[in-house]
Amino acid sequence: DAKTTQPTSMDCAEGRAANLPCNHSTISGNEYVYWYRQIHSQGPQYIIHGLKNNETNEMASLIITEDRKSSTLILPHATLRDTAVYYCIVRGVMNTGFQKLVFGTGTRLLVSP
Amino acid sequence: DAGVIQSPRHEVTEMGQEVTLRCKPISGHDYLFWYRQTMMRGLELLIYFNNNVPIDDSGMPEDRFSAKMPNASFSTLKIQPSEPRDSAVYFCASSPDRGQVNTEAFFGQGTRLTVV
Repeated sequence: DAKTTQPTSMDCAEGRAANLPCNHSTISGNEYVYWYRQIHSQGPQYIIHGLKNNETNEMASLIITEDRKSSTLILPHATLRDTAVYYCIVRGVMNTGFQKLVFGTGTRLLVSP
Repeated sequence: DAGVIQSPRHEVTEMGQEVTLRCKPISGHDYLFWYRQTMMRGLELLIYFNNNVPIDDSGMPEDRFSAKMPNASFSTLKIQPSEPRDSAVYFCASSPDRGQVNTEAFFGQGTRLTVV
């Protein structure tokens, strides 16, 4: 019952920006967009989340379109250690009931030298 | 903070044996989750607890699976009897309760279970 669509895989050159798209055309007004990543043999790691404004932290930037039907996760200067599976997840707010974190298939990002 | 700690990291057992996976969540976190990851099905939520109480176990595949959280700092996932199709990586995660906004979940390193 994943509410998002992501490309299966993407490539990026080391040092360049990695732009990972996500479609969530059925997102509702009180649902947030979350991004996690999973490096090989590790547990998933939280990256960033947002509602409608663009967000930035030390790991990445999140750009959400005005209609909120899609978003892009940006890793500004990808390194080899950013090679991972990136998951885009839509999740509601608590006052509608606890929202489980449901993972789809994600995008496998390969950063090459 | 050591993060979410899972043990063992690897477990190999024979079909029919009981398997117990352990998890220590981050201190002060109110939610604890058990996930299972396989190539075929990806990451699946099995069960989650809030303040040590099981809230939703709809993801538990069969009665052979059970989970407990006797206190705020410890949880177990037990499989009895184990079967080869239970082979997977099992992740435990925890998150704090900060009111309306769902907070991020912190995952452990996982337990790789192989049932032969």
